Amino acid sequence: EAGVVQSPRYKIIEKKQPVAFWCNPISGHNTLYWYRQNLGQGPELLIRYENEEAVDDSQLPKDRFSAERLKGVDSTLKIQPAELGDSAVYLCASSSSMNRGAEAFFGQGTRLTVV
Amino acid sequence: AQRVTQPEKLLSVFKGAPVELKCNYSYSGSPELFWYVQYSRQRLQLLLRHISRESIKGFTADLNKGETSFHLKKPFAQEEDSAMYYCALTDSWGKLQFGAGTQVVVTP
Repeated sequence: EAGVVQSPRYKIIEKKQPVAFWCNPISGHNTLYWYRQNLGQGPELLIRYENEEAVDDSQLPKDRFSAERLKGVDSTLKIQPAELGDSAVYLCASSSSMNRGAEAFFGQGTRLTVV
Repeated sequence: AQRVTQPEKLLSVFKGAPVELKCNYSYSGSPELFWYVQYSRQRLQLLLRHISRESIKGFTADLNKGETSFHLKKPFAQEEDSAMYYCALTDSWGKLQFGAGTQVVVTP
């Protein structure tokens, strides 16, 4: 089992360009999270899915960020247009159920640099 | 809104010394609490959760509802414990929220 897979691992783009991140969760995991982690800070939740439904997107800057989880499996997170302040590590995680005690499994993350 | 606070950004301890990482939370309901760890060049992973009441790699954490704390402790630190540690909370709706993290450095 490869665990949660994210791609790309690194991305450098110029400001105002679009960028997309992809996440493949662990097979059978219904819950999927996207987090943003700025340097020296903890992960901040952007959006949480239960199957294909976004159940918590209150922290997602909807003017430039969008996400989807078609068929309740893979997910993509998009930024358009990117700003300098979007430079961060974007983490995807999945867990097996809505059980609040369930472990979240994380991907390696995508490090985005906006120049 | 719920909040997880880790007051120490960096803890430096000698090998064999005790280590305690502080975590305080604010949440009006009944939270589920976790400690996650990130070793150098590895992904973030679960260390332990309070519902399991178990010791992992010699670490324990006790939930103190009166003080709203979930401090992580280990009596004898090892060099391999050097890592970034995050306290986390899940609320009634399943939202998993993290503290800012504490960097632990264990020196020989």
